[in-house]
This record gives sequence, C-alpha cells and structure tokens, in this order.
Amino acid sequence: GAGVSQSPSNKVTEKGKDVELRCDPISGHTALYWYRQSLGQGLEFLIYFQGNSAPDKSGLPSDRFSAERTGGSVSTLTIQRTQQEDSAVYLCASAPALGLYGYTFGSGTRLTVV
Amino acid sequence: ELKVEQNPLFLSMQEGKNYTIYCNYSTTSDRLYWYRQDPGKSLESLFVLLSNGAVKQEGRLMASLDTKARLSTLHITAAVHDLSATYFCAVRTTSGTYKYIFGTGTRLKVLA
Repeated sequence: GAGVSQSPSNKVTEKGKDVELRCDPISGHTALYWYRQSLGQGLEFLIYFQGNSAPDKSGLPSDRFSAERTGGSVSTLTIQRTQQEDSAVYLCASAPALGLYGYTFGSGTRLTVV
Repeated sequence: ELKVEQNPLFLSMQEGKNYTIYCNYSTTSDRLYWYRQDPGKSLESLFVLLSNGAVKQEGRLMASLDTKARLSTLHITAAVHDLSATYFCAVRTTSGTYKYIFGTGTRLKVLA
C-alpha cells in the first residue's frame, strides 16, 4: 500500500481480555517498529524487526506483550490479560533496510482498557 | 543504554520570534531524525541527519547535528502559528540492533 496501515484505529477492551493490533507496512520495507505513546508522553520503544534477523524485543514491558511478523510483512502485536496501564496509542513504523530517509509511521491504534 | 533528552519540554512563543529546541543523547550515534506530531495525529518525518556537521533546512525550520557534542538542534526562525505541534528527535543506537530511541518531545505553541 501507499502507507503504513494499522488496525483497528480504536479499540476499547475490558481489563483482563487479550487484544491483537495489526500493522501492515509499506511494501518492500524490511524494518518494522512498534512504539507506545501514552497520553501526552513521548514514544516508548517496544520491538524492532529487521528482515529475517531475530527481533529486538528489549522494549516489551512485560511477558504479556508479544509480537510477530509473518512473511516479512504484516506484524501483529498481542497484549494478553490487558491492564489499565496498557491504555495508550500503539504506533507502528516501517522503513527500507538502511532507513536513510526516516521511517513512515502509521496512524496508530488507540487502546483503551476499561 | 542510549538516553535521549529534549529541552525545553514545553515552549510557548510569539509569532515572528526565533527559538531553538535541543536534543541531547548519552552515547555515540551516527544518525538522528526529527519528527513533527500534530495533536491526535501520527508522526511526520522532518529531517534526517546522517553525519557530523549535517545541516538541513526546510522553510522556517533548520536542524543540525554535532556528533562530538552528542547534540542536535532544531532552530525555528520567525515562528508562525502553523508550526504549533510536538517535535521529537530520534537517535539511532550503534550497538546491538540499530533501533531508534525517541526524545521526550517538545510541545511548541506559537501564539498569534
């Protein structure tokens, strides 16, 4: 597609439920990032995929968070047993391998845990 | 561990004035991005700085990078209301995986 697509754009879930957030990067982009942005805050790195290399999961805040990237394209971020502190906007970004021209962000998924 | 700090966190300025936003980072890096975020929107890439001494300009914004001082600046010239937004710098790590760590952001409000 022309840009990075994220779905859903908004998600309200009950505490304790599992959620899946989807990111469809720009075709051909080998690098894919997930960030989390809490209200009025900066961006918190979560996970980074680069081609076929093992992902850098160092930013995942707990073992309730996991992510996968299938076929080097679509990525899914899963949050199990959601908590209220998980409420945030989850942003996905992608870039060509070297990222020399910056990377393109999706519009984000606003997750609200009630 | 790479840490990125921006200052100021909040900036309110009059139209027509000049100001500079600073981005400091804690460990060696060779690449830095500046992004803009409007309220409720995603991030838009402004500048990519790839080497020491790099300077990029677009309209009223100019960004520079000093890798020796571990400092980047975003200078605003003769601010206009349309520049009101939050500005982020992002610095690439040079050890392990080459991921980007974002600064805290600077919320700029330009008053008419």
